[in-house]
Amino acid sequence: NAGVTQTPKFQVLKTGQSMTLQCAQDMNHEYMSWYRQDPGMGLRLIHYSVGAGITDQGEVPNGYNVSRSTTEDFPLRLLSAAPSQTSVYFCASGGGETDTQYFGPGTRLTVL
Amino acid sequence: GENVEQHPSTLSVQEGDSAVIKCTYSDSASNYFPWYKQELGKRPQLIIDIRSNVGEKKDQRIAVTLNKTAKHFSLHITETQPEDSAVYFCAAKISNFGNEKLTFGTGTRLTIIP
Repeated sequence: NAGVTQTPKFQVLKTGQSMTLQCAQDMNHEYMSWYRQDPGMGLRLIHYSVGAGITDQGEVPNGYNVSRSTTEDFPLRLLSAAPSQTSVYFCASGGGETDTQYFGPGTRLTVL
Repeated sequence: GENVEQHPSTLSVQEGDSAVIKCTYSDSASNYFPWYKQELGKRPQLIIDIRSNVGEKKDQRIAVTLNKTAKHFSLHITETQPEDSAVYFCAAKISNFGNEKLTFGTGTRLTIIP
């Protein structure tokens, strides 16, 4: 049971490039979400999904796309990277009856 | 939407003393309140949580209290140890089917002074 996994761990992009951050969970959780963490600003919700085929926007969705084709995977796409998207990105899954949410190890993204 | 405020932003305590971190929330419908600990370079990890039908919950040296009337909840760490040094986040959500969104506070950096 690997829990929540994320790839890559580190990434450097140039302004305007696109990329996909991968997130997978093997706990059969319906709920998955993406957060970004910036110094002094806590964890801010980007997008979330309550099940395969269902996604919705969080607090800071601009510049990011998501899709949920399977229960296990929830990739986050940066369409045209900007320096303001330099951050640490965490994926989380869980919720349901226990309410507990589990975080992945994070991806540190730098946009030059 | 829900707004969670957390204080203080930094806290230093002598090893062995107690530490208290406080959070307030805005939505009276919120009924689930977790606390996460994040060590440097690591992921946030759940350390304790409380639901609105109880006023206090303890787990060894940590405890959480909830005041629904005042809409605030607090994390208490007793007999602090160096390994308690980390950033702590509070969060709140309305626990019902289909709503899993957690709203986080901005975090408290706790430093334990040996």
